[in-house]
Amino acid sequence: GAVVSQHPSWVICKSGTSVKIECRSLDFQATTMFWYRQFPKQSLMLMATSNEGSKATYEQGVEKDKFLINHASLTLSTLTVTSAHPEDSSFYICSARSQGSYNSPLHFGNGTRLTVT
Amino acid sequence: SQQGEEDPQALSIQEGENATMNCSYKTSINNLQWYRQNSGRGLVHLILIRSNEREKHSGRLRVTLDTSKKSSSLLITASRAADTASYFCATHQTGNQFYFGTGTSLTVIP
Repeated sequence: GAVVSQHPSWVICKSGTSVKIECRSLDFQATTMFWYRQFPKQSLMLMATSNEGSKATYEQGVEKDKFLINHASLTLSTLTVTSAHPEDSSFYICSARSQGSYNSPLHFGNGTRLTVT
Repeated sequence: SQQGEEDPQALSIQEGENATMNCSYKTSINNLQWYRQNSGRGLVHLILIRSNEREKHSGRLRVTLDTSKKSSSLLITASRAADTASYFCATHQTGNQFYFGTGTSLTVIP
């Protein structure tokens, strides 16, 4: 159980275009989803915390107008990288927590590798 | 930055030896969790220790937590080549955020 599906697994786009990444909890309801960014051989940097039905909480230094997060249902959150630039190339990973479980692990998607040319 | 620090950054051991990784963090936490990541993949949860717990075991894993020092350790006993991966600690902050440590890259030599 507790499967998180992230799609696409990789995407190549041209500079200036927008890319949408989906994160779905397949067999549980996720009241909270987290979006992370990871550079090669580095740790995961929290970008934003997304609660179902409300606006995402962005970490300091993360541009909310560039990284649009929508958590419209208990099983789906999306991250849209708008007007992508080469420096946005990275590995983006989502994770989700089950509803009503305070001391519970995060369940991760397999990540999306974004390359902006 | 809310990110925790881990040491060592990299660790290389022989199969059968024990591997110990340490994690330090900065603020109050609800719990601390350890994850494993194989290259280019998502993270897999290994073990969770609550803020009122001091030690926890799961198979070959042993985790300790010292909230007074804001530190935790992960011990993998009798390591195997398949344990080769990056290991991250993550703290569940009181504001409901999850922040990851800098990670330890473990190589187990057969």
